[in-house]
Amino acid sequence: EAQVTQNPRYLITVTGKKLTVTCSQNMNHEYMSWYRQDPGLGLRQIYYSMNVEVTDKGDVPEGYKVSRKEKRNFPLILESPSPNQTSLYFCASSRQPFYEQYFGPGTRLTVT
Amino acid sequence: TQLLEQSPQFLSIQEGENLTVYCNSSSVFSSLQWYRQEPGEGPVLLVTVVTGGEVKKLKRLTFQFGDARKDSSLHITAAQPGDTGLYLCAGALLNYGGSQGNLIFGKGTKLSVKP
Repeated sequence: EAQVTQNPRYLITVTGKKLTVTCSQNMNHEYMSWYRQDPGLGLRQIYYSMNVEVTDKGDVPEGYKVSRKEKRNFPLILESPSPNQTSLYFCASSRQPFYEQYFGPGTRLTVT
Repeated sequence: TQLLEQSPQFLSIQEGENLTVYCNSSSVFSSLQWYRQEPGEGPVLLVTVVTGGEVKKLKRLTFQFGDARKDSSLHITAAQPGDTGLYLCAGALLNYGGSQGNLIFGKGTKLSVKP
């Protein structure tokens, strides 16, 4: 089954404690991206990766890092989480950036 | 500035009613996608429209792309509780040189259909 998986689905953590949200896709997609979704603000892109060699900032990259060492995985790293990073996070993949996006199930992060 | 404006933001209707939601922009898009997001899940693609004036139907859902490719609408006939969700439009900007860049998402229309 074609899918994007994210882990964990739910995470409560404290300010400053480094965390990683994993994302994996099994569709051999070149393009992967991370979004955060907040009430009233919609989906905002954090980072994207055109392929394993190219990664770039989206609209709201501050406080986040990403890594694309292999095609299928695209982890999101919060080195020092802060309460304003409390949000619902989605990983997505597609053949190209403007093609159909396949979204993961989401990770609800709470930073206290 | 929000490149894609969706309206209304919220819509609560009774089962059996018809409704239309809108996705508007001052920019031209090479294509436009509509997604539905149900609570606790990621968005799922419903349809992609690529030609100005194009109309696509998906059962009780009718999607239209504006002639100038700056706007789109989604019409639902005889809404059912299963239509409840967040409807998102997303466009690929038609940039100079033809490159399309990343998708731009609207903020969505939250639809609630009551039985």
